[in-house]
Amino acid sequence: AQSVTQPDIHITVSEGASLELRCNYSYGATPYLFWYVQSPGQGLQLLLKYFSGDTLVQGIKGFEAEFKRSQSSFNLRKPSVHWSDAAEYFCAVGALRDDYKLSFGAGTTVTVRA
Amino acid sequence: DAGVIQSPRHEVTEMGQEVTLRCKPISGHNSLFWYRQTMMRGLELLIYFNNNVPIDDSGMPEDRFSAKMPNASFSTLKIQPSEPRDSAVYFCASSRQGGRNEQFFGPGTRLTVL
Repeated sequence: AQSVTQPDIHITVSEGASLELRCNYSYGATPYLFWYVQSPGQGLQLLLKYFSGDTLVQGIKGFEAEFKRSQSSFNLRKPSVHWSDAAEYFCAVGALRDDYKLSFGAGTTVTVRA
Repeated sequence: DAGVIQSPRHEVTEMGQEVTLRCKPISGHNSLFWYRQTMMRGLELLIYFNNNVPIDDSGMPEDRFSAKMPNASFSTLKIQPSEPRDSAVYFCASSRQGGRNEQFFGPGTRLTVL
């Protein structure tokens, strides 16, 4: 079964600084990979997704992520963080065999300081 | 376009009472998911419907939980009887073809069982 690890529970970053959130997955084949963001009191919103092809994917809100098969990673990045980026971020992996299932990581909470 | 609609947004009840959570998926989506989010266990898939038929209910914690989807535009998740350990945020999500495509999440129902 697939699984996801997000090593960082909480990250604090200054407004305007760069942000990188780590995600490592475990899966025997090429996974489907997703990053979602959850603002306080809200549902999850998809930031970006990777199925195949170009390993650098662009998403909404200025985010991008890079799939690295050799490292089993799918890290999320943003060059310059805005205060509105304070939220919880979830990495998720989907399996080809049961292509409806998403396994979510535990999430990383991002705090943005002025 | 209206997103996934969930009601109620907040529910406070006493142990032993029946609780019914409701979800209206996005029109045209044929897959529906119920998730539970807690601090301890993160985001867990409870049940997945495709074309109104339950496909995978392996995540339903026990017989106290039941879910129905009588038509393409409505689903319920029922807990009877409720227990304090059921306190969590319950999300409904929908998608067009299942996990390969983006799952659109509702705002969630925050359930507190006293």
